[in-house]
Amino acid sequence: AQSVAQPEDQVNVAEGNPLTVKCTYSVSGNPYLFWYVQYPNRGLQFLLKYITGDNLVKGSYGFEAEFNKSQTSFHLKKPSALVSDSALYFCAVRDSASGGSYIPTFGRGTSLIVHP
Amino acid sequence: EAGVTQFPSHSVIEKGQTVTLRCDPISGHDNLYWYRRVMGKEIKFLLHFVKESKQDESGMPNNRFLAERTGGTYSTLKVQPAELEDSGVYFCASSPGTGSYNEQFFGPGTRLTVL
Repeated sequence: AQSVAQPEDQVNVAEGNPLTVKCTYSVSGNPYLFWYVQYPNRGLQFLLKYITGDNLVKGSYGFEAEFNKSQTSFHLKKPSALVSDSALYFCAVRDSASGGSYIPTFGRGTSLIVHP
Repeated sequence: EAGVTQFPSHSVIEKGQTVTLRCDPISGHDNLYWYRRVMGKEIKFLLHFVKESKQDESGMPNNRFLAERTGGTYSTLKVQPAELEDSGVYFCASSPGTGSYNEQFFGPGTRLTVL
C-alpha cells in the first residue's frame, strides 16, 4: 500500500522569506513523487516530480523539492516566497514496485499563505 | 494546446436528484481519470479509462455513480440519486500513457453541492 502525509493544513510565510511545505510518504518499492498546485478556481497544475536521479528536483515557478530516502520525505521549497504563490499544494506518490499502482495517492493538501 | 476541460464548474442540487459531470481530456490522451476531493480531505481516485474501456474502477464509491466514455473521447460521470456525502470537487485528469514519465494533467474541477 502507498500513502502520503502532509502534516500541515496551513503554512504562513512572509513575502521574500523561504518557504517549505512538508510531505512524507510510504511505499513498498521505490517512490515516484509529485507536487501539484491548485490556484483558486483553477485545476491542479503539475509542479515537479522525482522519478530517479538527483535528489534535488527543480520545477515550475522557482519551486524545488528534495527527495530524502532515509526520512521518506519530499518537501517542497522555494528560496523566496511571492504573494502569488498563495495556493493549495498537494503531494502525491506512486509505487514503482512491480505490480504497484500507477494511480497516484494524494495527500490532504497544504494551504500556503504568503503575506505581503 | 487546450487543456482538460470540465463542465459545469459548479452544480448545486438537492438530495435525490441526478447530476451529470462532463470531462473533455487533452486531445490524443487515451487515459482519462476521475478523482474526488471532499472538503479538507485527500484527493481520492475514482476510476480510470483507457480509451473507452474501464481499466480500474476500484475507487467508485457505490452503484449510484456511473461513468462512461463512449468513443474514447469525452467522459461523463453521473450520480443518481445524489446524496449529501457526494458533495465535493470532482476532478478529471488525462495522460498519454501510464508510465512513470507520464504525469497527469488535471482539469479545473466541478464543485458539486448536494443539499
